Amino acid sequence: EPEVTQTPSHQVTQMGQEVILRCVPISNHLYFYWYRQILGQKVEFLVSFYNNEISEKSEIFDDQFSVERPDGSNFTLKIRSTKLEDSAMYFCASGQGVFGPGTRLTVT
Amino acid sequence: AQKVTQAQTEISVVEKEDVTLDCVYETRDTTYYLFWYKQPPSGELVFLIRRNSFDEQNEISGRYSWNFQKSTSSFNFTITASQVVDSAVYFCALLMNYGGSQGNLIFGKGTKLSVKP
Repeated sequence: EPEVTQTPSHQVTQMGQEVILRCVPISNHLYFYWYRQILGQKVEFLVSFYNNEISEKSEIFDDQFSVERPDGSNFTLKIRSTKLEDSAMYFCASGQGVFGPGTRLTVT
Repeated sequence: AQKVTQAQTEISVVEKEDVTLDCVYETRDTTYYLFWYKQPPSGELVFLIRRNSFDEQNEISGRYSWNFQKSTSSFNFTITASQVVDSAVYFCALLMNYGGSQGNLIFGKGTKLSVKP
């Protein structure tokens, strides 16, 4: 059964550094998403991507964040200058609610 | 505005008890989908069920069952004969469909279920 994959599973970075989180969504899905979950809290929507462009984004998704689908298979989330409060689990999803295993980002 | 409410923050039961997790949603749209996910301590989101707004038939899958009631905007989840492995945080979520255009999932705050031996 096709699945969404994410790399790395855990990323530790220093405050102010750029990070790129990678996802390979299910190839025949049309919609791709990034969500965030701060430890112990609910899952929050960041951004959706359709037809090679952002279709919707939340208030969390500010200028520090960007998404790309560089090669037709990968779907990346970039955080330009990480802050302590960016520490969270980041989930990629595609289609209707199919989630990857998540990347745990720790900013020190 | 769309919203999902899981009023039970934490539930603790003893193994073999039945437990029901409540989910109430708000939306003005007629086309939407409802989901339940399980999040074990390892952190991944495990898909349990998806139900569209036009299908109010209840569903049973092994020890799991779901009761969808549009009249009360509820989509409750029951675990029969709970087991220690059921211990996890359970999230209910709502996905909107705007005239063929798919929105994003809106999650409830989750219910932490602890099943004690």
